[in-house]
Amino acid sequence: EVQLVQSGAEVKKPGESLKISCKGSGYSFTSYWIGWVRQMPGKGLEWMGIIYPGDSDTRYSPSFQGQVTISADKSISTAYLQWSSLKASDTAMYYCARTLTRPGWLDYWGQGTLVTVSS
Amino acid sequence: QSVLTQPPSVSEAPRQRVTISCSGSSSNIGNNAVNWYQQLPGKAPKLLIYYDDLLPSGVSDRFSGSKSGTSASLAISGLQSEDEADYYCAAWDDSLNGPDWVFGGGTKLTVL
Repeated sequence: EVQLVQSGAEVKKPGESLKISCKGSGYSFTSYWIGWVRQMPGKGLEWMGIIYPGDSDTRYSPSFQGQVTISADKSISTAYLQWSSLKASDTAMYYCARTLTRPGWLDYWGQGTLVTVSS
Repeated sequence: QSVLTQPPSVSEAPRQRVTISCSGSSSNIGNNAVNWYQQLPGKAPKLLIYYDDLLPSGVSDRFSGSKSGTSASLAISGLQSEDEADYYCAAWDDSLNGPDWVFGGGTKLTVL
């Protein structure tokens, strides 16, 4: 069974760093891209970026370039999304999802990680 | 402001049929496949339609997708209460800023 399991909810202060994770199982982790999607409270889905764990090829949406870092450790089938200095506006639910190709479709999604940034 | 335009909300009675539109441009819907995602309240999105009109395994055939030019539509027939959800269209965008996925703003479906 294909699964993407994300790390748990986080509560952070502005200026702190954070790294959340997405662990894939039930398929060849290095053969699929893993993308990240933001959903701010009460809002729609926003594409952030994507990584191919096979060779770490990473692409960012222009809106998120320089704001976050996407990485992966194929030895443990895990992708990451990290911030070096959080802002209150980073408060959102973050989803990871996989796709076989770019372009393609996101066929399996993680359960989401809620990040709350508040002083 | 989303690149793909969807109506914020639609509503219809049980057992009826509803359609949700998604309007884009030649850089996205006009030249690339459209996917649809269903997000039930408090849940992660789920792939509903891919490559304009294909259903993933396990998705009810009450759902169907279509595309014409720079617009796409999702139709749901035989509406049921469990169809109440947010629906998002998505497409690849070959813009000058670099190819990327774009989403619609989402449509909230209410089953009356």
